[in-house]
Amino acid sequence: SQELEQSPQSLIVQEGKNLTINCTSSKTLYGLYWYKQKYGEGLIFLMMLQKGGEEKSHEKITAKLDEKKQQSSLHITASQPSHAGIYLCGADRRSTLGRLYFGRGTQLTVWP
Amino acid sequence: DTEVTQTPKHLVMGMTNKKSLKCEQHMGHRAMYWYKQKAKKPPELMFVYSYEKLSINESVPSRFSPECPNSSLLNLHLHALQPEDSALYLCASSQEGTGLYSNYGYTFGSGTRLTVV
Repeated sequence: SQELEQSPQSLIVQEGKNLTINCTSSKTLYGLYWYKQKYGEGLIFLMMLQKGGEEKSHEKITAKLDEKKQQSSLHITASQPSHAGIYLCGADRRSTLGRLYFGRGTQLTVWP
Repeated sequence: DTEVTQTPKHLVMGMTNKKSLKCEQHMGHRAMYWYKQKAKKPPELMFVYSYEKLSINESVPSRFSPECPNSSLLNLHLHALQPEDSALYLCASSQEGTGLYSNYGYTFGSGTRLTVV
């Protein structure tokens, strides 16, 4: 979807390095979701953010939503090969709940 | 049970065939969704069922026919498909028509890989 811009499109990092993936919208986000997908498989839920300034962490992954609710970042600390996959941000908008829009995804490769 | 189960995992069908994809969840979610995902593209919404009624059809061709027999089941009936319909079909569910009311957002199944020959 052109409504959610994700960057970078692909990322190759060495194991142990930190990395950040960004998701930007030109419109206010009502709900922002981060998912991980292995090629050809289903989406694995990572985190959901709704409030401006909100930050959530799970294991080595931290997601933030800015105060204006137009930008989110996903940060992975000390990356591991198990983090490899496609990361997708998706969003709800207040006017169209249930229509989940996705960014184009970020392909993450972690080499040992 | 926090899963959405999709069957079959893989399906190959001819352009004159009729087949169905099945999706099942037992989380008590009242909204269920079909998404289509082409290779290296994000998922795109096809249909939304809310309380077993079709609430959103994203202008999907009539060769795709959704059905929600009960609150736990969602089917996608396929007829006279084209090779360009080959894709990964994902089912998802959520509480009350949005992922915001669940700690797990929208819950997705593992998908059905459809190939039309």
